[in-house]
Order: sequence, then C-alpha cells, then structure tokens
Amino acid sequence: DIQMTQSPSSLSASVGDRVTITCRASQRISSYLSWYQQKPGKAPKLLIYAATNLQSGVPSRFSGSGSGTEFTLTISSLQPEDFATYYCQQSYSTPRTFGQGTKLEIK
Amino acid sequence: EVQLLESGGGLIQPGGSLRLSCVASGFTFSNYAMNWVRQAPGKGPEWVSLISGNGGSGGSTYYADSVKGRFTISRDNSKNTLYLQMNSLRAEDTAVYYCAKDGSIFNPFEYWGQGTLVTVSS
Repeated sequence: DIQMTQSPSSLSASVGDRVTITCRASQRISSYLSWYQQKPGKAPKLLIYAATNLQSGVPSRFSGSGSGTEFTLTISSLQPEDFATYYCQQSYSTPRTFGQGTKLEIK
Repeated sequence: EVQLLESGGGLIQPGGSLRLSCVASGFTFSNYAMNWVRQAPGKGPEWVSLISGNGGSGGSTYYADSVKGRFTISRDNSKNTLYLQMNSLRAEDTAVYYCAKDGSIFNPFEYWGQGTLVTVSS
C-alpha cells in the first residue's frame, strides 16, 4: 500500500497569512494526488486534483504543486472560512490512501 | 446539480449485517465510478470500496483489505443507486459512511454525499 504522510499535523496561522502543507508519498505516484478540505460535521470537499488542477468553484488562493513523491498545498492569503482540516489522497493505485490530515487553526 | 444521498445506517450488533444505499442524481450515473469512503470518529477518511462505471472495466470492484470478504459493493444503474452490503460487522467498522463520485482517475471523490452513521455495538 502507498503511505501518504502530511506535515505538519497541525498549524496555527492568522487571517492573511500564506500557508503551505506538504504531502509525501511512499512511492512515486506521478500526479495522481488530490487535496480535500473538511470542516466539522461535513463531508470532505475536493480542492485540487491531479496535483495542480483547481476544482471548479474553489477560490484561486488555493494552489497545488508537485509530482512523483512530494506535493504541496498552498493557501496564498488565509480567509476565516479556510480554518479546517486538510487531507491529501492518492489515486495512483488501490487502496486509495489518505494522509493523516493537517488541522489549520486560528492563531 | 450533482446530489448523492446515503441511507441505511444505524445501530447494529457485532456480527450483524447492514445494507447502505446511495441515490445519485444530476449526472449520468452509469458512466462514472463510485466509491464508499468511511470516517471513524475523530479519524481521517478511509477508502472502503470502488466500483467502475460502464466506461471503465464495466462494474469491476475493489476493496480495502480491512473489509475484503465481508463487504460487497454493487450498483443498479436503472435506479441510479449504489449499495454497500456489510456483513460480519465489527466494532472497528463504526464510522460515517460516505458515497463519493469519481470524475476520473485523476479526479477521484469529486462529489460526496452527506454520509450515514453506522454504529456497531452491543
């Protein structure tokens, strides 16, 4: 199975900050990498697919980069509604695996 | 507008069975792969199972090792409905179960339902 490791596990930041979350795959997964945002009591929401593609309707302050084994999600200027938990996930092979999550909290 | 509506969750004793349903609307259901993803309380999401659409391997199924041999995914394209038959349930199967539509292999879990809670407890 492909293991997905996110860092950091938690992050405190302020409105307007630029933040970056990293995801590493235990083997090369090309660009089969997606990012999701989840708020308490809600289903995850797709933000980025194929490593760099912004899902329709997602604000442009979200961006993704990387390929192979190292990936990043960047939020260019944090907004109050962005405080949530973020997960990376690979679809290169089954089982489709998720990272352990990064909880983004207000400083 | 894509909508996915799960049902069938509830409280079940260990060893029992339950069938989840997910009714889809807003897209041509038969064309797309569909998934079940679960999330235990306080944990991250865990992929459970995938069934391909007509454009793929025509209903091929895939399972996480943790449910293989106990859970069965199926679909009825005439009813736009996805199913998950869960047998021999264990306490560790307790979770919110979501159905999720693939856009493509590069765009998995494009849309999610609201989830249905399964609690396995005596």
